Amino acid sequence: TQLLEQSPQFLSIQEGENLTVYCNSSSVFSSLQWYRQEPGEGPVLLVTVVTGGEVKKLKRLTFQFGDARKDSSLHITAAQPGDTGLYLCAGRETSGSRLTFGEGTQLTVNP
Amino acid sequence: SQTIHQWPATLVQPVGSPLSLECTVEGTSNPNLYWYRQAAGRGLQLLFYSVGIGQISSEVPQNLSASRPQDRQFILSSKKLLLSDSGFYLCAWSVQLAGGEQYFGPGTRLTVT
Repeated sequence: TQLLEQSPQFLSIQEGENLTVYCNSSSVFSSLQWYRQEPGEGPVLLVTVVTGGEVKKLKRLTFQFGDARKDSSLHITAAQPGDTGLYLCAGRETSGSRLTFGEGTQLTVNP
Repeated sequence: SQTIHQWPATLVQPVGSPLSLECTVEGTSNPNLYWYRQAAGRGLQLLFYSVGIGQISSEVPQNLSASRPQDRQFILSSKKLLLSDSGFYLCAWSVQLAGGEQYFGPGTRLTVT
């Protein structure tokens, strides 16, 4: 069974600060997705990374896939209260269509 | 564009009662379909997935079952609910043979009393 460990589990910061969330595994994934979820709603896909070492930017969010495709990070610059939510990483197995989800990072950005 | 619907949005059921949660997808054909359960503020546990009509894979031995009577319909059921079945149930779809991205419905909050 492939496992994904996310850290930190909880993060509370002030508006304007930077932060990084980590997603680590001992397994290799063919791709990795990051989702953001608000209370009472389904997760929303933010990005997919596929190539080892790949970096993708989405406005103030920067996503990186590790060279060995076993880990990923999400960096947010100048966090805003609207960034508050549960951030989930999910790795796709090298065969098949199943995703393995991390336990999530609950981010709170205080005004 | 594709949309995914789940109902009901909220459900309160007594222990021992039956359950039926429904998920439908519009705007795509032959999707992969998934049922997940989520504890409060935590990650998603895959319960069932389906690659086609009548094809169901179970991930976790439990009190639940799933069925796919039509291409874009996925149903989660139980004959007798347990307290431990309480949680947030999410349905998702993905394109077969694509990059693995899954798209989620709005979820059903189930409370078993």
